[in-house]
Amino acid sequence: GENVEQHPSTLSVQEGDSAVIKCTYSDSASNYFPWYKQELGKGPQLIIDIRSNVGEKKDQRIAVTLNKTAKHFSLHITETQPEDSAVYFCAASQGDSWGKFQFGAGTQVVVTP
Amino acid sequence: NAGVTQTPKFQVLKTGQSMTLQCAQDMNHNSMYWYRQDPGMGLRLIYYSASEGTTDKGEVPNGYNVSRLNKREFSLRLESAAPSQTSVYFCASSPRRGKGETQYFGPGTRLLVL
Repeated sequence: GENVEQHPSTLSVQEGDSAVIKCTYSDSASNYFPWYKQELGKGPQLIIDIRSNVGEKKDQRIAVTLNKTAKHFSLHITETQPEDSAVYFCAASQGDSWGKFQFGAGTQVVVTP
Repeated sequence: NAGVTQTPKFQVLKTGQSMTLQCAQDMNHNSMYWYRQDPGMGLRLIYYSASEGTTDKGEVPNGYNVSRLNKREFSLRLESAAPSQTSVYFCASSPRRGKGETQYFGPGTRLLVL
């Protein structure tokens, strides 16, 4: 089955700096890669996603890149703000399985003013 | 729309007690999921229902049962709770219009088994 590794587990950045979180996956058939943000005491919320036919996608300060050959994808947050502090999870769809994701272990991001 | 709702928000059980976690979605989604979240382990799939009338095991189904009551509701039952089932439980749903779809999560149920 699919295995997703996420690094780093914690990330501290100064407000205004950039943050990068990396994930690797094992199943070359995986074709959908969402990123979720989870604030304290809440459920995960989708912030951006990318499909295997696209190499990069951007939404304001957030971008995701995908390298299918190397089987890794990354989340980039620019101009970080205190409200970006949260736990971020990457996920990969399990090959041809309908709607089944394998999640990374999560990255705790702390943005200090 | 409320999206995905879960009840209760928090529950304390004694070992051996049973309980049912409730989940409902108002987005007319076909697929629903139950996950558990433990520190340092991300989200692990317990059971899922690809469509009304079907359920399948996920990665960690032991000790749990599910019921897809109708298109809106998907419940998770612990027949005999164990301390290892202390966790945060999330329900999610997706449209199932095609492969690789966004899942929408509820706010979670925090369960403590003593």
